[in-house]
Amino acid sequence: KNQVEQSPQSLIILEGKNCTLQCNYTVSPFSNLRWYKQDTGRGPVSLTIMTFSENTKSNGRYTATLDADTKQSSLHITASQLSDSASYICVVSAKGNNRLAFGKGNQVVVIP
Amino acid sequence: EPEVTQTPSHQVTQMGQEVILRCVPISNHLYFYWYRQILGQKVEFLVSFYNNEISEKSEIFDDQFSVERPDGSNFTLKIRSTKLEDSAMYFCASSVQGVKNTGELFFGEGSRLTVL
Repeated sequence: KNQVEQSPQSLIILEGKNCTLQCNYTVSPFSNLRWYKQDTGRGPVSLTIMTFSENTKSNGRYTATLDADTKQSSLHITASQLSDSASYICVVSAKGNNRLAFGKGNQVVVIP
Repeated sequence: EPEVTQTPSHQVTQMGQEVILRCVPISNHLYFYWYRQILGQKVEFLVSFYNNEISEKSEIFDDQFSVERPDGSNFTLKIRSTKLEDSAMYFCASSVQGVKNTGELFFGEGSRLTVL
């Protein structure tokens, strides 16, 4: 069964600090990997989309990496802000279908 | 900026009742989806819709569920005879390209369904 696992489940960081979130997946055959930000009670918002050939992609203070060989991805948040408090969800798409496999998310809380 | 809109934002219903959740996808998008998220759980795929028909559906999407695009703008999810376990946030999403082709998915704000 295609699965997406994320770690840590939750973390608290001080405003201004950096953090890195991890994602491991078993989806195969792999098509693309996405990171979404989901504020509590809101719909997910896309941060990055990466295909097999892409190793790194940035969106402002968010930088995603992908190692398709080891089936791992990370999302790095630089100089965190209070508005970064949210769940960050790793989502993987398999070739040949239009469904997405979601991870449970990394719950990030940024404190002043 | 174009956005996916969903109504109602919250619906409370009695077990066994029928519920219709409505969505207006972004106007030039061709692919439409429904996802659900039970409180504290991960988002789960329900169904994708393209060219006026279901293109894929998950195991969750059984005979209790149906989708329809009754006109050029609305996309609805009907849940017949709701059960307690149908309580969840239901997200509509749309994209220009299918997600297998890296189509960027735009989600609505969700419709929270509470079944009593």
